Amino acid sequence: QVQLVQSGSELKKPGASVEVTCKTSGYDFSTYGFTWVRQAPGQGLEWVGWISARSNNTVYAKKFQGRVTMATLPSSNTAYLEIRGLKSDDTAVYYCARDRRIVSGRLVAGYWGQGTLITVSS
Amino acid sequence: ETVLTQSPGTLSLSPGDRATLSCRASQSIFSDYVAWYQHKSGQAPRLLIAGASHRAGDIPDRFSGSGSGTDFTLTITRLDPEDFAVYYCEQYGNSPTTFGQGTRLDIK
Repeated sequence: QVQLVQSGSELKKPGASVEVTCKTSGYDFSTYGFTWVRQAPGQGLEWVGWISARSNNTVYAKKFQGRVTMATLPSSNTAYLEIRGLKSDDTAVYYCARDRRIVSGRLVAGYWGQGTLITVSS
Repeated sequence: ETVLTQSPGTLSLSPGDRATLSCRASQSIFSDYVAWYQHKSGQAPRLLIAGASHRAGDIPDRFSGSGSGTDFTLTITRLDPEDFAVYYCEQYGNSPTTFGQGTRLDIK
């Protein structure tokens, strides 16, 4: 079955960078794209961006452009999220989610990783 | 960007009740690409509905979605104790994708 396993929690200082990994199994990796979503403490879900595992085309939310990079590595069935210039309000649980086809047309974030807590604190 | 407003913020009901959750968009959603997710604390969000009304394969039929344009609804008939959680709508028809702020479904 489809599985997404994310890397563990990280504690970072303001200004540092962090990479979150999302290792997948149970399907042909290059067939589907990935969405990244975050949830800050006490807040709702926030869309960070999307990457195609076939072409590595990316779409980033405007507030993250220039500070975030998404990538995939088909040889290891893994998707990556890098955030640079961390700030305290980047403290959140970050989720990766794989596209899923429920109805014809656009795919939706259908299979989710367990989440990775990134804490930014001096 | 398209703003999604969910109502109510909190809904307190009893097991066996019917829940009706609303999601209103600031502009029409292309092809009614609206999804609903269930989110429990400490767990990953779970996809319930996509394309406004299409249940994901593993979702019980007590969950249903409806609506079009700017107004969308998630209905849960015969609430089960495991259904008490936070529910989010998401629109993925207009760029960028956005989420509503969530509706918390509490046990009364």
